[in-house]
Amino acid sequence: DIQMTQSPSTLSASVGDNVTITCRASQTISSWLSWFQQRPGKPPTLLIYQASSLQTGVPSRFSGSRSGTEFTLTIRGLQPDDFATYYCHQYYLHSYTFGQGTRLEI
Amino acid sequence: QVQLVQSGAEVKKPGASVRISCKASGYTFSDFYIHWVRQAPGQGLEWMGFIKPSGGDTTFAQQFQGRVSMTRDTSTNTVYMEVRGLTSEDTAVYYCGRSTAVTGTGHWGQGTLVTVSS
Repeated sequence: DIQMTQSPSTLSASVGDNVTITCRASQTISSWLSWFQQRPGKPPTLLIYQASSLQTGVPSRFSGSRSGTEFTLTIRGLQPDDFATYYCHQYYLHSYTFGQGTRLEI
Repeated sequence: QVQLVQSGAEVKKPGASVRISCKASGYTFSDFYIHWVRQAPGQGLEWMGFIKPSGGDTTFAQQFQGRVSMTRDTSTNTVYMEVRGLTSEDTAVYYCGRSTAVTGTGHWGQGTLVTVSS
């Protein structure tokens, strides 16, 4: 199975900050990685797919990038609504796993 | 618009089985895989498996093989997931999600809470 190592597990930031969350895959997954935001009691919401493509309707302050097997979600200019939990998710060759999650707190 | 509507919360005793439904609308049912993911209280997301509605083929995460089944009813555009041999560790919110090859799982149901308790 492909393992996804996500860090940090918790991230403290303030409104207006820029933050970065990282996921590392245990083997190549090409660019088959997405990022989700999840608020308590709600299903995940797709932010980024194929490592760097912004889902329709998602603010442009969210961006994703890839370097080999390392993937990054960047949020620029944090807004109050952004404080939530974020997950990476690989979907390479019908093998699917999630990262452990990053709780972004004020 | 794409909608996935799941069945309501369930309370089961250890050793029992549970079947959850996920009714799709707003798109061609047979064209997109349906995945199931669960989230135990205070924990992260765990991928369980998927079904191809067109032919009913299924793929499961290793830890669920033999204990989980997925079926579909193309006449009602509904996918079902059954989990057998429930234990307290199966207490979780279960989500169905629709995937595409490009975006992965982009649309989700509202979730179904399954509580396993004696």
